Amino acid sequence: DSGVTQTPKHLITATGQRVTLRCSPRSGDLSVYWYQQSLDQGLQFLIQYYNGEERAKGNILERFSAQQFPDLHSELNLSSLELGDSALYFCASSPRTPSSYNEQFFGPGTRLTVL
Amino acid sequence: KNEVEQSPQNLTAQEGEFITINCSYSVGISALHWLQQHPGGGIVSLFMLSSGKKKHGRLIATINIQEKHSSLHITASHPRDSAVYICAVGPSMDTDKLIFGTGTRLQVFP
Repeated sequence: DSGVTQTPKHLITATGQRVTLRCSPRSGDLSVYWYQQSLDQGLQFLIQYYNGEERAKGNILERFSAQQFPDLHSELNLSSLELGDSALYFCASSPRTPSSYNEQFFGPGTRLTVL
Repeated sequence: KNEVEQSPQNLTAQEGEFITINCSYSVGISALHWLQQHPGGGIVSLFMLSSGKKKHGRLIATINIQEKHSSLHITASHPRDSAVYICAVGPSMDTDKLIFGTGTRLQVFP
């Protein structure tokens, strides 16, 4: 158990809908990252938050948005869902200041299926 | 060409064999991570290294910064080692953004 929790574990929805994925980082970790893992693209970095502020952005679509709240939990909002958004969405957290030297601890993931 | 390349893509082995998975990258990095993804989907961080060699149990990771290459070795492989092993690089010192390889699927048979 990494200490990172994600809810829900599974989500099935229809095209055009909007969903919210939730992540609680390990106690004390200030950085939260969101990743998408689809069958054809592998793992891709979406966005990073550090202590409530957006820190780095990757291949995140405009239909997707995220935020980190004062209690450090984070939410990833996906709207106008398309079939291609079906994927595993991982959240990870790491401590201290942003740095590539930080080990990242991954949550169990949310499996999103868009029908 | 991907910035992070792994080989082989698939690997099968008999229990007890020595396993090597390779990772080459084309970007400048400050750290390299090895991750393990189990069949159920969960991801575990195995190593993070920026130079030299690290060992944890039967797992050994090495990195050669000059050659932009890293290897993950598993000694005395066991069926429970069956998983996807993913190499990821951190390209910058001021962000934890990672660039991932496509993974190596390892199956160890008894």
